[in-house]
Amino acid sequence: ETGVTQSPTHLIKTRGQQVTLRCSSQSGHNTVSWYQQALGQGPQFIFQYYREEENGRGNFPPRFSGLQFPNYSSELNVNALELDDSALYLCASSLRGQGNYGYTFGSGTRLTVV
Amino acid sequence: DQQVKQNSPSLSVQEGRISILNCDYTNSMFDYFLWYKKYPAEGPTFLISISSIKDKNEDGRFTVFLNKSAKHLSLHIVPSQPGDSAVYFCAAINQGGKLIFGQGTELSVKP
Repeated sequence: ETGVTQSPTHLIKTRGQQVTLRCSSQSGHNTVSWYQQALGQGPQFIFQYYREEENGRGNFPPRFSGLQFPNYSSELNVNALELDDSALYLCASSLRGQGNYGYTFGSGTRLTVV
Repeated sequence: DQQVKQNSPSLSVQEGRISILNCDYTNSMFDYFLWYKKYPAEGPTFLISISSIKDKNEDGRFTVFLNKSAKHLSLHIVPSQPGDSAVYFCAAINQGGKLIFGQGTELSVKP
């Protein structure tokens, strides 16, 4: 069984630019959640996708958007990047309805906005 | 609004001793709690969980205790090993089934 894969691992962008981060979910999982982890903080929930639709959103502005594809992989898009968007972005996949909620996390994408 | 709080950013213990990591929460509607362990350059990995209908769950060297009246849970690691050195996150499942994390506690186990 393959785990969660995120790409790229590191990325440097300039303020105002747009970025797309990618996530391949674990085999057998149908739900993808995205988290932002700022330095010294815990992961903050951005949004979750299930059956290619957004299924819950945290306290993030609309310039954070996402997609889920039929193969359950997902993208996180951030427009008009700000310096405060610099963080580790984590993707987690899960199987909806599974006991203990079975979240499997990827290693993350480290985004630096300069 | 930090609904899950880990007030100790770091903890240092001697190998073989007990490590106790604490977590407080504010939302009494949380009904499931998890602990995750995170090494640098890796994603969080699931460690142990507890349902709100229980007050203790044990898995090998790891035990989680839940005190619902105090809205407090703790993770005990006995005996602590150098390989346990990592950042530990407490998390709760909210009504929408989403993970809400604490800020994390960095555990250092010294030989």
